[in-house]
Amino acid sequence: AQTVTQSQPEMSVQEAETVTLSCTYDTSESNYYLFWYKQPPSRQMILVIRQEAYKQQNATENRFSVNFQKAAKSFSLKISDSQLGDTAMYFCAFMKRGNDMRFGAGTRLTVKP
Amino acid sequence: DAGVTQSPTHLIKTRGQQVTLRCSPKSGHDTVSWYQQALGQGPQFIFQYYEEEERQRGNFPDRFSGHQFPNYSSELNVNALLLGDSALYLCASSLESGGGPGMITDTQYFGPGTRLTVL
Repeated sequence: AQTVTQSQPEMSVQEAETVTLSCTYDTSESNYYLFWYKQPPSRQMILVIRQEAYKQQNATENRFSVNFQKAAKSFSLKISDSQLGDTAMYFCAFMKRGNDMRFGAGTRLTVKP
Repeated sequence: DAGVTQSPTHLIKTRGQQVTLRCSPKSGHDTVSWYQQALGQGPQFIFQYYEEEERQRGNFPDRFSGHQFPNYSSELNVNALLLGDSALYLCASSLESGGGPGMITDTQYFGPGTRLTVL
């Protein structure tokens, strides 16, 4: 069974600085997807970034980028130039194609002014 | 481009009652997944519907059932409610395949959720 581990329950960062959230996963599959979702206090789960396992290039979306290490089964999220609106719970998720998503327990990120 | 919508926003029920939650997928999507998110935890997969059939199911009892309609919208039904069913219920839609230029497959987009409280 696939499991996702987020070892940082809470993190904080000063506005405009950079922060990295960690995620590791366990799978025997070779073809899968990894995601980071953001859940602000409004509670809607918002897709931040998506990575396909067969792609070696790390995904980027504006201020958000990932460090995908397939052999190490690691998938960290880097947020550059942090903004107050980035304050939220961040969930790492794993999905084999056509299957359900498995989520980590989340990391609560607070951006301080 | 309409996103995923869910209704109602909040719901309060008592133990033993039954509840129906509704979800309309993002325009162009054909697959709907349901998740239960307890307070302070990550979402847990309940089941997924594709082509009006339950395609996969997580570790949830038969009290949880669902349906997908020809227009791809979906319902989640929970019978004989327990206090432990209190949670945020999230619906996510995705596209199985195809969909034309610019459409991304295998990525789930979530609705705002329904907060269910069982007293």
